[in-house]
Amino acid sequence: QKEVEQDPGPLSVPEGAIVSLNCTYSNSAFQYFMWYRQYSRKGPELLMYTYSSGNKEDGRFTAQVDKSSKYISLFIRDSQPSDSATYLCAMRATSNTGKLIFGQGTTLQVKP
Amino acid sequence: EAGVTQFPSHSVIEKGQTVTLRCDPISGHDNLYWYRRVMGKEIKFLLHFVKESKQDESGMPNNRFLAERTGGTYSTLKVQPAELEDSGVYFCASSRDFSGNTIYFGEGSWLTVV
Repeated sequence: QKEVEQDPGPLSVPEGAIVSLNCTYSNSAFQYFMWYRQYSRKGPELLMYTYSSGNKEDGRFTAQVDKSSKYISLFIRDSQPSDSATYLCAMRATSNTGKLIFGQGTTLQVKP
Repeated sequence: EAGVTQFPSHSVIEKGQTVTLRCDPISGHDNLYWYRRVMGKEIKFLLHFVKESKQDESGMPNNRFLAERTGGTYSTLKVQPAELEDSGVYFCASSRDFSGNTIYFGEGSWLTVV
């Protein structure tokens, strides 16, 4: 069983839609949660970082963590064609390691 | 400020040959990481350097992989001899602090073993 599960998609939405991307995980020790965006043939780019449970908002992006359910989400409001990319969740257990555990990534296409 | 740079961007080699990938982290970043993604799988951690020391190499798949970071600046990842299953994209990343919350990735080195 993978430590982090993420639906690979693809997910296709019309421009302006609200997008919900999700990951589930099995390791209750995970404390730090990240979302990365990756354009084709590029490296992952950090979008959001959240510690423990709760919500965090940054512009059109909102990250949510529910540790009781071992479930994290990324919401994108007013989606744009430029948001078309692969979105990767990543997490780690402690603050003294850079070892991130990634989900497989969800491919998102926002159609004009 | 220059980002994490990797060389080569693409490499095609035959099974049994040797390939060396290079990574230049962001200036001033003591922490350097190698990750890789093979076809159809998620990105997986290989190892973590703090300056020139290996902090965590638990993700290195076998002894055909050798990572070095002499002088604590750039790093190399050598695969010798390469096998078909080594094909994939190898990402290097770096961060200033040890918490790893802001890890910057390079664009990757795409390796194809034929």
